[in-house]
Amino acid sequence: DVKVTQSSRYLVKRTGEKVFLECVQDMDHENMFWYRQDPGLGLRLIYFSYDVKMKEKGDIPEGYSVSREKKERFSLILESASTNQTSMYLCASPRGDTEAFFGQGTRLTVV
Amino acid sequence: QKEVEQNSGPLSVPEGAIASLNCTYSDRVSQSFFWYRQYSGKSPELIMSIYSNGDKEDGRFTAQLNKASQYVSLLIRDSQPSDSATYLCAVSHRSSNTGKLIFGQGTTLQVKP
Repeated sequence: DVKVTQSSRYLVKRTGEKVFLECVQDMDHENMFWYRQDPGLGLRLIYFSYDVKMKEKGDIPEGYSVSREKKERFSLILESASTNQTSMYLCASPRGDTEAFFGQGTRLTVV
Repeated sequence: QKEVEQNSGPLSVPEGAIASLNCTYSDRVSQSFFWYRQYSGKSPELIMSIYSNGDKEDGRFTAQLNKASQYVSLLIRDSQPSDSATYLCAVSHRSSNTGKLIFGQGTTLQVKP
C-alpha cells in the first residue's frame, strides 16, 4: 500500500517558535505537496516540490519554507510560528497526474 | 476569482435520491480533474478522476466534464447516509511535470435517512 506519513498528528507550539512538519512517502513519487485546511477555505496549497531540492511556491507561501533533501521526505517549516498559522496541515504525494495520496494530517495549534 | 470554486453547502438530500455536486475552474490550461471525499477528521480520498469531455461512471458515481464551460460535476445515485461527507473538487495542469493540484473549498453533503 502507498503510504504517506506525517510525523505528528497533533502539535502545540508557542508563538515565535520554529516549527518543523515532516512528511515521508514510500512510493518513489516525484511530486509532493503541502496544504493547509481551514473551515470554509478548503485545501490551500502552500508549497510543492517536483524533485529533490526543487520547490515552487503555492498560493499561500508567506511565513513558510520547505526542504526536500531526499526524494521521500518533504518538510514544511514555519520560521516563526504565529497564531494565524493554527490549522490542519496535509501532505500529499500524487502518482504522476493521477491519484494524490494524503498523510493523516497534522493539527497544529499555535498559542 | 478563485481557481476552483464550489458551493460550500450544505447540500441535503434524502436517502435514495441523486446528489449533484458542481465545480467550476478558471484556468483553461487545467487538464485533469478529480473528486475527493473527506469524512470529518479524516484525510481526503480519491473517488473519481476525469480527463476528457463527457461522462465517466463508476458504480453509483458519475463525473461529468465540460471543458468549454469550464465545469465539472459529480452525481451520486441512490445516495446513502454513508455518503455524508465533504466533497472536494481538484484540478491539475498536466502541461509539465511540475503541475499544481488545486482544490476547491469543498461541498458538504448530508444524506438524511
